[in-house]
Parts: sequence; structure tokens; C-alpha cells
Amino acid sequence: GQQLNQSPQSMFIQEGEDVSMNCTSSSIFNTWLWYKQDPGEGPVLLIALYKAGELTSNGRLTAQFGITRKDSFLNISASIPSDVGIYFCAGLAGGTSYGKLTFGQGTILTVHP
Amino acid sequence: GAGVSQSPSNKVTEKGKDVELRCDPISGHTALYWYRQSLGQGLEFLIYFQGNSAPDKSGLPSDRFSAERTGGSVSTLTIQRTQQEDSAVYLCASSLFTDTQYFGPGTRLTVL
Repeated sequence: GQQLNQSPQSMFIQEGEDVSMNCTSSSIFNTWLWYKQDPGEGPVLLIALYKAGELTSNGRLTAQFGITRKDSFLNISASIPSDVGIYFCAGLAGGTSYGKLTFGQGTILTVHP
Repeated sequence: GAGVSQSPSNKVTEKGKDVELRCDPISGHTALYWYRQSLGQGLEFLIYFQGNSAPDKSGLPSDRFSAERTGGSVSTLTIQRTQQEDSAVYLCASSLFTDTQYFGPGTRLTVL
């Protein structure tokens, strides 16, 4: 089945630093999504990417949909303590599997003040 | 309500017992999804509903797992004869058609 490889698994950074994480896949996705999950909560959508090559920003967050449709990255600039959490990439293949998200393993982000 | 709600928030049960987990989607959302999240893992797709029908049940791990949706709204995920490996957080999401999925807070299931 489809799998997403997300890296790094965890990051420990100082407040104010920039962060980058990425996901790669062995198969093509038509939509890439980035979610953040806080403890005891469900994932919350941060950014959605719908077109290969698309670069989208949401405040301090920037994400790109890779040209090959097999990868995506998320950058967080000038990190703050509330950025702490688990970040997941997710892909939507479309076609007969439309609606079914495939998730990466997550990146645990810790921000030291 | 404004978001997806799930109940109970926590469930502790004994091995072999049956459990029912409930999901109330966002009003008007036609699509509903169940995922399972094991400790330190990403989310694993279980089942997808469009209206009351489930076109994709491919993620259900065994025949002990079943789900239904009634009235195009509330969904129940049932796990029969629970096993310790069923312990996880069960997350529900809903979307308008197959658009952006909004997640509930999850039900943490612990099987002793």
C-alpha cells in the first residue's frame, strides 16, 4: 500500500529558529496536506496543496507540493513556544481512493524558549 | 455543534469485551472517516462513509471491527471481543464531500 516517509522524526530547536520537515512517497498524490496535533486533540489542518509545484504560505508557515507529486515540505520560520506539537503530512491520492488520507509518521517539534 | 465531537473521550475496557465509539460530524458534512492512531504513530485509515454507505472499508483491521452511520450524521465504530492491540486513539473526521477533513478530539481506548 501507499506509504509516506516523514523526516525528521523529532526536532529540538531554540525559539526564533527556522524549522524544515519533509515527506516523500513512492507513489503519486493529488493533494498534500500538513496537520498539527496538540496533546489530547485531533489534528488541525495547517496548509493544503492542490497542484504540483505549488508554494503556499500561511503566516510563518510555508509548504510546497513537489513537482513529481511524490514529495512535500513544510517550513516554519521564527519558531515560537506554541509551535510545539506533532506535525503530520498527509496525502490524498484521488480516484477510487478519494477521501482516504495517507499519513506520515509525524515530526515531534520541541521549542526551547 | 461547531466541530466534530466524539464520545467517550476515554474508554478503559477488559480484554474480550465489546466497545462502541461515537462520532458526531459537523452538521451538513456528507463524508465521515475513522482513523486509528497508535502511540507515537501516524494515523491509520479505517473506514470512509459517504452519506450512510461505506464505499471503502479497506482499513478495518479484522472482522471484529464494524461501523455504521445513520441519517447521514452520527457514526458508531464497534469493536467486538477487544484485544490489547486494539488500544489506541480512535479519531473521526468529517468533510463536505471529499474536501478538507476536520478531526474530532478522539477517543482513547485502553484494553486491559
